[in-house]
Amino acid sequence: DADVTQTPRNRITKTGKRIMLECSQTKGHDRMYWYRQDPGLGLRLIYYSFDVKDINKGEISDGYSVSRQAQAKFSLSLESAIPNQTALYFCATSGPTGGNEQFFGPGTRLTVL
Amino acid sequence: GENVEQHPSTLSVQEGDSAVIKCTYSDSASNYFPWYKQELGKGPQLIIDIRSNVGEKKDQRIAVTLNKTAKHFSLHITETQPEDSAVYFCAASIETSGSRLTFGEGTQLTVNP
Repeated sequence: DADVTQTPRNRITKTGKRIMLECSQTKGHDRMYWYRQDPGLGLRLIYYSFDVKDINKGEISDGYSVSRQAQAKFSLSLESAIPNQTALYFCATSGPTGGNEQFFGPGTRLTVL
Repeated sequence: GENVEQHPSTLSVQEGDSAVIKCTYSDSASNYFPWYKQELGKGPQLIIDIRSNVGEKKDQRIAVTLNKTAKHFSLHITETQPEDSAVYFCAASIETSGSRLTFGEGTQLTVNP
């Protein structure tokens, strides 16, 4: 079973719709991250959380919000989706037992029409 | 903030040849430099990392070198194999925990049999 899971894996939606992407992990890590990947731009950090009560903005947080429901769950929301939010979204985790390594989920491909 | 530039964007080599990918960073306070490999349809996976107090690190066919004065670091893959074909990302962090990573744009490596 995968240690970091993301749901849904693919999503097509329309402009203006509210979308939630979910991430769960069984690694017992305290730190969780959301990244966005666009061709030619690499991965860019949207939000990160060091524990349930700690949420921090990343490089490109505008238009996104997050919720850390539990140590193992970290959700990313697009309150009103727009076409330039079409991208591949990755959740990642890290923790003291794994050193600095970030463990990535399989990704969610989001298309906003 | 930190800016990481990576080149080349695409690299094609013959099986058995060496491949070199180079990255430069802007923030002299950066002290942690990981490399991630992303296979098609999967999330990135850490393959090697280096800290600023080390100039070179090797792991079998993979090596990373760091020049802090010039603010650049490189990934070297020797005796390339078709399974090395993937997208490779460099990253940098000013945090010793490696939590806030700034990624390069990625390099698509193709190893031709």
